Amino acid sequence: RKEVEQDPGPFNVPEGATVAFNCTYSNSASQSFFWYRQDCRKEPKLLMSVYSSGNEDGRFTAQLNRASQYISLLIRDSKLSDSATYLCVVVSGGYQKVTFGTGTKLQVIP
Amino acid sequence: DTAVSQTPKYLVTQMGNDKSIKCEQNLGHDTMYWYKQDSKKFLKIMFSYNNKELIINETVPNRFSPKSPDKAHLNLHINSLELGDSAVYFCASSAARAAYNEQFFGPGTRLTVL
Repeated sequence: RKEVEQDPGPFNVPEGATVAFNCTYSNSASQSFFWYRQDCRKEPKLLMSVYSSGNEDGRFTAQLNRASQYISLLIRDSKLSDSATYLCVVVSGGYQKVTFGTGTKLQVIP
Repeated sequence: DTAVSQTPKYLVTQMGNDKSIKCEQNLGHDTMYWYKQDSKKFLKIMFSYNNKELIINETVPNRFSPKSPDKAHLNLHINSLELGDSAVYFCASSAARAAYNEQFFGPGTRLTVL
């Protein structure tokens, strides 16, 4: 099992739709979790951290399920500008190793 | 103002050559990283430095040698370049170690080995 796994997609959704991505991780002792966004041929940028109690930032909601070892990202009312690759990030171990998932590609269609 | 900068942006070179990529951050961060993103877009950590000290070295060939002259700089030197080294290399920094802190990425260096 890979350390961090994501469905690569692509997810093609119409504008205004709600879309959700999951990311599973193998190390039950992982300490912290993030979602990053990467536009084509650009660097990754932090979208949001993922807190144990779940957290929301505008149209974006992130959740963590430690028992099942996955994190999720929900995007409501999708915009064309949401088209990008979404990378989940898991930090674990004493040296705080950072592991990126392979990314899920989202394409929002007019 | 560019927070994390890398030079060069593009690097095209022949197999067997030695090349360097430079990275600088002006955020006052303690921790810097090198990542490799291959053709399948998989982003994998290579090295992590905290206050000029190497803390993570992820089974990277010895041909890759990072050097951190000070907290604001982390350079990557690659010897005897191979075709498989072709990728985008990203430098990043964070305020402290990664667990609770956002990483800021440079724009990437696209390396092509012919």
